[in-house]
Amino acid sequence: LAKTTQPISMDSYEGQEVNITCSHNNIATNDYITWYQQFPSQGPRFIIQGYKTKVTNEVASLFIPADRKSSTLSLPRVSLSDTAVYYCLVVYTGGFKTIFGAGTRLFVKA
Amino acid sequence: GAGVSQSPSNKVTEKGKDVELRCDPISGHTALYWYRQSLGQGLEFLIYFQGNSAPDKSGLPSDRFSAERTGGSVSTLTIQRTQQEDSAVYLCASSLTGQANNEQYFGPGTRLTVT
Repeated sequence: LAKTTQPISMDSYEGQEVNITCSHNNIATNDYITWYQQFPSQGPRFIIQGYKTKVTNEVASLFIPADRKSSTLSLPRVSLSDTAVYYCLVVYTGGFKTIFGAGTRLFVKA
Repeated sequence: GAGVSQSPSNKVTEKGKDVELRCDPISGHTALYWYRQSLGQGLEFLIYFQGNSAPDKSGLPSDRFSAERTGGSVSTLTIQRTQQEDSAVYLCASSLTGQANNEQYFGPGTRLTVT
């Protein structure tokens, strides 16, 4: 299973764009890259998923370079309510074991 | 529609007692996952069900932990002879299928405190 590495914490200000990069050097051909968001006292919530290149939804964008050894979650114009822990996961399509790392604690300041 | 529900929301138990945690997945979801999250930590994968079957139980921390799923729906995580290190939030998630590109929907968790 591919291990992920991401920054422990990040600070930002309201209205800024936030980019969180995750390393997954031993990602396999059939693995997907998925990001979840978790607020205190809640279960994680799916944000976005991708396999390669760029994926965008109403919440975020996910950039994946050609070698797929890293990925970057981009949150446009963050607000105070985006303060949360963001988890990067690599999920094997042929399996089921889901490994959440320690996540990145994002603090958005006014 | 209804999301994933878990009960109880909070459980305080004495060391050595057995506890049962319940998870009701989203109707129609065939895959169900259990995780454990200690204070300030990431999620630790415990077990996965596809239907009523758990292909791999190696994520369970010890033989005091067991889980079952019946009727392809409700799942119960049982911890026997609880220890203080079992104190954590236990999260359940379900997905439509067990494929990796399926979004997992999480319940609110059960906060277990072992005194």
